Amino acid sequence: DGGITQSPKYLFRKEGQNVTLSCEQNLNHDAMYWYRQDPGQGLRLIYYSQIVNDFQKGDIAEGYSVSREKKESFPLTVTSAQKNPTAFYLCASSPPAGGREKLFFGSGTQLSVL
Amino acid sequence: KNQVEQSPQSLIILEGKNCTLQCNYTVSPFSNLRWYKQDTGRGPVSLTIMTFSENTKSNGRYTATLDADTKQSSLHITASQLSDSASYICVVRTFNAGGTSYGKLTFGQGTILTVHP
Repeated sequence: DGGITQSPKYLFRKEGQNVTLSCEQNLNHDAMYWYRQDPGQGLRLIYYSQIVNDFQKGDIAEGYSVSREKKESFPLTVTSAQKNPTAFYLCASSPPAGGREKLFFGSGTQLSVL
Repeated sequence: KNQVEQSPQSLIILEGKNCTLQCNYTVSPFSNLRWYKQDTGRGPVSLTIMTFSENTKSNGRYTATLDADTKQSSLHITASQLSDSASYICVVRTFNAGGTSYGKLTFGQGTILTVHP
């Protein structure tokens, strides 16, 4: 089945530690995104990539990093510089842009601080 | 500042009843508005998209409306089912200033719907 797979489902971070969230898609989509979801707030864009080997900062990129070495993969690293990392992280992808494209989301990763 | 506000924050209804969720936006220039359904612990799934020229669109028991003049949208759920319990998110897309295809998305905070038997 085509879709987006995020792993792990739950992740715990110790202070000063970097952690990496995995996102893989087999939908053959060019564009991929990372969003952060906090209770009572709308989704906020962390990073996005419209093509392999290229990515752009979103609204809240500080303390995060990404790579896009393969079309199928868009991992997100939460660095120790991110002082409030506890949140639900959603990866998404979309087909070639035409203005009406919808986002296909993964099932999310809940990151908590120990 | 582009904003999307949804109301109510949460809603509890009995199975079989109807309900209406509201979305007000100040996003400009407007391209389209999409409603997503998000089950607890899962990613959002698209229900429907509304463009400037569309007033009403149905998808099964879900009916979305758009009033581009007042910048309001609603999502009406008919004959609710237990499986309708979820968060419903309104997302508005702007046109890219350069006229290219990628426009910014602004997400509402969602309405949490709980359907009781």
